[in-house]
Amino acid sequence: ETGVTQSPTHLIKTRGQQVTLRCSSQSGHNTVSWYQQALGQGPQFIFQYYREEENGRGNFPPRFSGLQFPNYSSELNVNALELDDSALYLCASNQGGVQNTEAFFGQGTRLTVV
Amino acid sequence: GESVGLHLPTLSVQEGDNSIINCAYSNSASDYFIWYKQESGKGPQFIIDIRSNMDKRQGQRVTVLLNKTVKHLSLQIAATQPGDSAVYFCAEKVEGAQKLVFGQGTRLTINP
Repeated sequence: ETGVTQSPTHLIKTRGQQVTLRCSSQSGHNTVSWYQQALGQGPQFIFQYYREEENGRGNFPPRFSGLQFPNYSSELNVNALELDDSALYLCASNQGGVQNTEAFFGQGTRLTVV
Repeated sequence: GESVGLHLPTLSVQEGDNSIINCAYSNSASDYFIWYKQESGKGPQFIIDIRSNMDKRQGQRVTVLLNKTVKHLSLQIAATQPGDSAVYFCAEKVEGAQKLVFGQGTRLTINP
């Protein structure tokens, strides 16, 4: 186990609804990244939070937004859900800063949009 | 990233044999590389990493080789076991950048 926990594990939403996914980072890690993994593909970077600020964003529309809290846990919010948003959403944490460090992933939240 | 759909490259090996999984990375500026193992229904699990100032790194039963000239990364797994069955992803990163860029993944199947 990595110490990165995500909730919920599974979720079903209707097209047009909004969803919030949660992530608790590993102890000692101040950086959280979110990834979307469609079935049969590698994870795609959504954005990263470092010390409560967005610190980089991938090619995702503004309806994907996030937060990081003082305890370094994080939320991913998706508005106006579309069918193509159905995927495994992964949270990864690491110790940010200048030096690259290994990122540890949670088990993911499986989102199904119907 | 490139869409692979459900047709992941696959590798089948006999239990006890050695496995070699290959990955071509995309960015010549990448200087940090990681191999992840992903079992069904789980998140990627860190296996081993390597920085661009090295060409080989060994872990427990695993070895990563990096060839920067041809932008190629490989993962060698010694004496494969049934528990090694999973999808394996390579990921690359540029120093100072935020994101990991994942390769397409390879499904490894261990035959008894």
